[in-house]
Amino acid sequence: DAGVIQSPRHEVTEMGQEVTLRCKPISGHDYLFWYRQTMMRGLELLIYFNNNVPIDDSGMPEDRFSAKMPNASFSTLKIQPSEPRDSAVYFCASSPGQGSYEQYFGPGTRLTVT
Amino acid sequence: AQKITQTQPGMFVQEKEAVTLDCTYDTSDPSYGLFWYKQPSSGEMIFLIYQGSYDQQNATEGRYSLNFQKARKSANLVISASQLGDSAMYFCAMRGSSGGYNKLIFGAGTRLAVHP
Repeated sequence: DAGVIQSPRHEVTEMGQEVTLRCKPISGHDYLFWYRQTMMRGLELLIYFNNNVPIDDSGMPEDRFSAKMPNASFSTLKIQPSEPRDSAVYFCASSPGQGSYEQYFGPGTRLTVT
Repeated sequence: AQKITQTQPGMFVQEKEAVTLDCTYDTSDPSYGLFWYKQPSSGEMIFLIYQGSYDQQNATEGRYSLNFQKARKSANLVISASQLGDSAMYFCAMRGSSGGYNKLIFGAGTRLAVHP
């Protein structure tokens, strides 16, 4: 069974540009999470969805960040406009729910904003 | 507020020896869960083991076991018979019932180096 799929794996963009990160969760999982990992702040939860509905977006840094989950097999995290301080590794994870709490992570997208 | 503390920035162990990675937590939730993840140099986050706060037995998965001491609020990871491939960052994480049942907060991590 395929794991969580993220694309692109690496993204280099200039300040001010729009960036879209994509995620396909494990089939049948009810929960999808977006995390950001930096040296300074470690792993931070940005937002999570349950059955495609955003449940908690309190970790989204500011209005430049937005996330959508139009269906059970696809989610996007968009940054517009991007800034150098957004440079980080962005992980998507999914979890079965229904009493199973473990989260399975994708390979991550390394974003560099110059 | 919930908090995870990993006090060991780095650890090393000889191949084939056992090693314990420390994790302490703070929560007022009666129901919570504790996780360990491995992050090798390639960057992916690999789920290792889970312990629920009401589980009577300590969790085990192959060479990994979780030494859960509820009164001390500790959830240490024990890796037996270390292998070179165990060299990685290890993160302890917790979920709780407040602030979102499935939210995880992570510790700062411990870098483990296994020496031949």
